[in-house]
Amino acid sequence: KAGVTQTPRYLIKTRGQQVTLSCSPISGHRSVSWYQQTPGQGLQFLFEYFSETQRNKGNFPGRFSGRQFSNSRSEMNVSTLELGDSALYLCASSLKPATNEKLFFGSGTQLSVL
Amino acid sequence: GESVGLHLPTLSVQEGDNSIINCAYSNSASDYFIWYKQESGKGPQFIIDIRSNMDKRQGQRVTVLLNKTVKHLSLQIAATQPGDSAVYFCAENNGVRAAGNKLTFGGGTRVLVKP
Repeated sequence: KAGVTQTPRYLIKTRGQQVTLSCSPISGHRSVSWYQQTPGQGLQFLFEYFSETQRNKGNFPGRFSGRQFSNSRSEMNVSTLELGDSALYLCASSLKPATNEKLFFGSGTQLSVL
Repeated sequence: GESVGLHLPTLSVQEGDNSIINCAYSNSASDYFIWYKQESGKGPQFIIDIRSNMDKRQGQRVTVLLNKTVKHLSLQIAATQPGDSAVYFCAENNGVRAAGNKLTFGGGTRVLVKP
């Protein structure tokens, strides 16, 4: 069974640009969450999607957005990129959104903003 | 747990010894806890989980202990191997019940296994 797949693996952008990251969950998993990982702040929750609806949102500005498609695949978008957005963006999937569901992570997309 | 950023606490362990990694969590209402292992260039890998109605759970070579009184979680790795070298994170799910997954991660502990 394939794991969580994230594309692209690496991305370099400049300030002011926007970026879209993609995530394909484990087959059968319908909940997708996104996390940002930086050396300074560690792992921080961005948002969670289930049935194409955002169910939970972390404390990030509106420049960070996401969506989920009917096949459970998800994308996240960051607009007007800032240097501080440089990070590893991780996607995680689970069968359903519940507090005791195991989350499985992909390898992430490493975003560098110059 | 609180993020300690670049200065991750490091645990150096001799190959074959047991490792104990500690974590303090923040929310007394959290009811589900997970330990993850992250190797360089990879995403966090699920190791073991525990619900708040338990105080101990064992897996293959790993044991998680939960002390709700002092909000403390620990991961014990038996007979540590070179492949166990990684950063270990504890995470608590403090999402509202049935509202979904929202993990709060600790800052991580780096484990270095010496041959």
